[in-house]
Amino acid sequence: AAGVIQSPRHLIKEKRETATLKCYPIPRHDTVYWYQQGPGQDPQFLISFYEKMQSDKGSIPDRFSAQQFSDYHSELNMSSLELGDSALYFCASSLAGRLDEQYFGPGTRLTVT
Amino acid sequence: GQQVMQIPQYQHVQEGEDFTTYCNSSTTLSNIQWYKQRPGGHPVFLIQLVKSGEVKKQKRLTFQFGEAKKNSSLHITATQTTDVGTYFCAGPDGNTPLVFGKGTRLSVIA
Repeated sequence: AAGVIQSPRHLIKEKRETATLKCYPIPRHDTVYWYQQGPGQDPQFLISFYEKMQSDKGSIPDRFSAQQFSDYHSELNMSSLELGDSALYFCASSLAGRLDEQYFGPGTRLTVT
Repeated sequence: GQQVMQIPQYQHVQEGEDFTTYCNSSTTLSNIQWYKQRPGGHPVFLIQLVKSGEVKKQKRLTFQFGEAKKNSSLHITATQTTDVGTYFCAGPDGNTPLVFGKGTRLSVIA
């Protein structure tokens, strides 16, 4: 079965640079979620989209933005990167908005140096 | 906002022993989900509990949702090395689709 695809899998950036993470949800899933997970931490919800509209917003810094496109893929744009942004970034997708179980992608490991 | 507390933080067991992790919420939950994350992997959905007092089983795993819908537990019978990982409970809270507990990291010694 098709799973959530994230790219790139690994990314190294320097402070103050920008990064774009991409997420391709499971086919027919209409909802995408973004999470940030620091080492040894639980996933922290950043933002979600349902049918291409932002649905919920969590602890996403103002330096970050995201959108969902007409083909339902989503991109997380991160600017003015800081050392503390180094983390695993997971994208998850689901059906039926926020009511269903979420399927997580493999994650993008971002390292800011 | 809601806080989801999970204990223990770590658990080391001998293969064949049982394991239980507990999740407590400061507020009533409409539902609770459980995820497993293997080392170096991503969270994988295990189950969703919705009804008060609900009990669900998946092979050696038993999931319970408290009567007040504020706590939940995951019990694994006769652990195997394949059970190694971090188990998270998670529930919705206001504008957050899922608030995760801190997780319980399970180590199984063969």
